Amino acid sequence: GAVVSQHPSWVICKSGTSVKIECRSLDFQATTMFWYRQFPKQSLMLMATSNEGSKATYEQGVEKDKFLINHASLTLSTLTVTSAHPEDSSFYICSARILAGGRFDEQFFGPGTRLTVL
Amino acid sequence: QKEVEQNSGPLSVPEGAIASLNCTYSDRGSQSFFWYRQYSGKSPELIMFIYSNGDKEDGRFTAQLNKASQYVSLLIRDSQPSDSATYLCAVNISYGKLTFGQGTILTVHP
Repeated sequence: GAVVSQHPSWVICKSGTSVKIECRSLDFQATTMFWYRQFPKQSLMLMATSNEGSKATYEQGVEKDKFLINHASLTLSTLTVTSAHPEDSSFYICSARILAGGRFDEQFFGPGTRLTVL
Repeated sequence: QKEVEQNSGPLSVPEGAIASLNCTYSDRGSQSFFWYRQYSGKSPELIMFIYSNGDKEDGRFTAQLNKASQYVSLLIRDSQPSDSATYLCAVNISYGKLTFGQGTILTVHP
């Protein structure tokens, strides 16, 4: 099956620093990747849609200048949390939408990155 | 009204029983529906997807979709303790974007 990786799996940083999270589709090409955030005991909330070669589309209420997304290739999207603060501590999960095939809208999720901001 | 709502939990069933998980959605134009399982601290894993009205079976899992009633459900037969997890209903609202329900915690006790 399709595999999506994320790196790092967890990160602890000081308030005010920036953190970059990578999302890679390992065995397929993904024109679209999605970034989600999940707070404890809550469901996944879509943050943004990342399209290869174009600007990301952010959901309402998500600060695009704070959460920088770059989708430089068909297999890699990055999320940078700039000037992180404790309230940004969360579980960040990416998913990749398969490029071709019958199940065009099936998404494969990465293992997630747990961010803790001190 | 939330876009995707799941039946309130937590749900507890004995081993071997049928677990029934329900989900309603508000957007009549939604075309595809997904059930994910999420273990604590892990990312969601896809169990089933369904596009057409009716039932879709895969092993011990059966997804049911009724677009007229805007309702989708997941039945787990012969529930096992390893099925204990949070189950998330997700609806494809547009361009592959998924909206998730709040999740239902299922506990299968021996």
